[in-house]
Amino acid sequence: DSGVTQTPKHLITATGQRVTLRCSPRSGDLSVYWYQQSLDQGLQFLIQYYNGEERAKGNILERFSAQQFPDLHSELNLSSLELGDSALYFCASSLLSGQNYGYTFGSGTRLTVV
Amino acid sequence: DAKTTQPNSMESNEEEPVHLPCNHSTISGTDYIHWYRQLPSQGPEYVIHGLTSNVNNRMASLAIAEDRKSSTLILHRATLRDAAVYYCILRANAGGTSYGKLTFGQGTILTVHP
Repeated sequence: DSGVTQTPKHLITATGQRVTLRCSPRSGDLSVYWYQQSLDQGLQFLIQYYNGEERAKGNILERFSAQQFPDLHSELNLSSLELGDSALYFCASSLLSGQNYGYTFGSGTRLTVV
Repeated sequence: DAKTTQPNSMESNEEEPVHLPCNHSTISGTDYIHWYRQLPSQGPEYVIHGLTSNVNNRMASLAIAEDRKSSTLILHRATLRDAAVYYCILRANAGGTSYGKLTFGQGTILTVHP
């Protein structure tokens, strides 16, 4: 157990639907990162939050949004789902955002869009 | 982010040392060198990071060339549980849209033979 909790572990949904993925960071970590991993794209950075504020954005689609709540847990919302959104979604956390800190990743949510 | 180049795959025998190379000829003076690994069906796992000096921890050692244009991750005695994809990543200094994020490449697939 890495200390980063992601729920649910598996999710199967239909095209056009909306889902919410949840991440609880490791205790004490202020920064949360979301990544998408598909077979053909590898690990892609989506978005980062630090202590409730958005800090960096990567290749996140407009249909996707995220937020970090006062208790530091984060949610990634995926809407108008398409078959191509099927992937593993990982959340990671770190104490701070600086380059001298490692990330701790969760075990991921496997999303299947049918 | 500055790019890294790693071999696509490497093989090793159990209980032998493994040296995983990484070239990063465009590294800047403030980039940290991070290594992560991803075991099958799991999230990435932090292994080690460094700036200029060689680093050791309980998992591995990181040897950084004097000119910092390359580095080597050393697993002193490979076990079957070390079979994973190993990612070498340059982590840029804070600022701009790159702040905090890790950019994963394709990594090196390490196979460990019993």
